[in-house]
Amino acid sequence: QKEVEQDPGPLSVPEGAIVSLNCTYSNSAFQYFMWYRQYSRKGPELLMYTYSSGNKEDGRFTAQVDKSSKYISLFIRDSQPSDSATYLCGNQGGKLIFGQGTELSVKP
Amino acid sequence: NAGVTQTPKFQVLKTGQSMTLQCAQDMNHNSMYWYRQDPGMGLRLIYYSASEGTTDKGEVPNGYNVSRLNKREFSLRLESAAPSQTSVYFCASSDAQVSYEQYFGPGTRLTVT
Repeated sequence: QKEVEQDPGPLSVPEGAIVSLNCTYSNSAFQYFMWYRQYSRKGPELLMYTYSSGNKEDGRFTAQVDKSSKYISLFIRDSQPSDSATYLCGNQGGKLIFGQGTELSVKP
Repeated sequence: NAGVTQTPKFQVLKTGQSMTLQCAQDMNHNSMYWYRQDPGMGLRLIYYSASEGTTDKGEVPNGYNVSRLNKREFSLRLESAAPSQTSVYFCASSDAQVSYEQYFGPGTRLTVT
């Protein structure tokens, strides 16, 4: 079992929808939780990170961490076609471990 | 400020051939990393270098060697390429004393036939 599990999708939603992307992790030593966004044929870029349980907002994006259940989520409100990308969750506890990535397509 | 650069962008090798993937960063970061990305597998760490002069194995090091040439450059070598090494390779760097954010290069698409 991978240390970080992520539903690979693909996920297709209409423009304006609320998107929920989810990961689970197994290692309690993980301290930092990150979401990277990767456009097609590009390298990943950091979207958001948090190190505590609870919610962190940045514009249309909200990262949520529940350490008691080892569950992390990324919510995208009012999704746009420009949000179409692969989203990777990552957990840092020494080394950065990535989930498999979820491919998201937002249709106009 | 170019960030992280990788060469080449594309490469096709025959089984058994060798090659070196080059990576350089201009952000004065101490740590550098090599990942491979395969469909359904996400990014997997091959090797990393926490600082100049040190290298450590990651999750999938077999079949690869690395060299941290100086603070800027970190190369990945395939001594005898195999079809299982067909993948997209990403180099990344970070300054862990500032933040855990890793900055990625554009990737090298390698096909081994």
